[in-house]
Amino acid sequence: GAVVSQHPSWVICKSGTSVKIECRSLDFQATTMFWYRQFPKQSLMLMATSNEGSKATYEQGVEKDKFLINHASLTLSTLTVTSAHPEDSSFYICSARDEGIHNSPLHFGNGTRLTVT
Amino acid sequence: QKEVEQDPGPLSVPEGAIVSLNCTYSNSAFQYFMWYRQYSRKGPELLMYTYSSGNKEDGRFTAQVDKSSKYISLFIRDSQPSDSATYLCASLDAGTYKYIFGTGTRLKVLA
Repeated sequence: GAVVSQHPSWVICKSGTSVKIECRSLDFQATTMFWYRQFPKQSLMLMATSNEGSKATYEQGVEKDKFLINHASLTLSTLTVTSAHPEDSSFYICSARDEGIHNSPLHFGNGTRLTVT
Repeated sequence: QKEVEQDPGPLSVPEGAIVSLNCTYSNSAFQYFMWYRQYSRKGPELLMYTYSSGNKEDGRFTAQVDKSSKYISLFIRDSQPSDSATYLCASLDAGTYKYIFGTGTRLKVLA
């Protein structure tokens, strides 16, 4: 089945630093990837849609200068949390669909737990 | 009204019970439906993916779709403590290619 790999699985950083999270589709190509944020015991909140070779589309209320997204290849998207602050601490999850399959379901990475101290 | 409604639970059942998890949706453009299982501190794992009305079975899991009433269900037979997780239903709007998720139902299977 389609596998999405996300790294790191957890990261602790100091306030003011930047953190990069990688999302890779291992056995399929994905021109579109999705980044979600999840707070404890809450559902997924779509942050942005990452588009290969073009700008990401951000959901309302998500700061694009704070959450930089780069989708440089058909198998890799990165999310960089810039100048992180404690309120950015959360669980970030990426997902992708196998575009070789019509109306493919989404496949998720295992998430990255970010703690900003 | 949310586009996909799901009871958040928690739902507690004894081991071996049949579990029924349900969602309703409001948009007729939703044509594809998914069920995901999410363990704590992990990403959601795809369990079932259906398009047609009716049942789809995979091992102990059965997904049921009723497009006429806009109702989707996931049944788990012979539930195990390892099934304890949050179950998310999702729909794909084939027109906009947006995936809409329910809030998730927390399930606890007691040994």
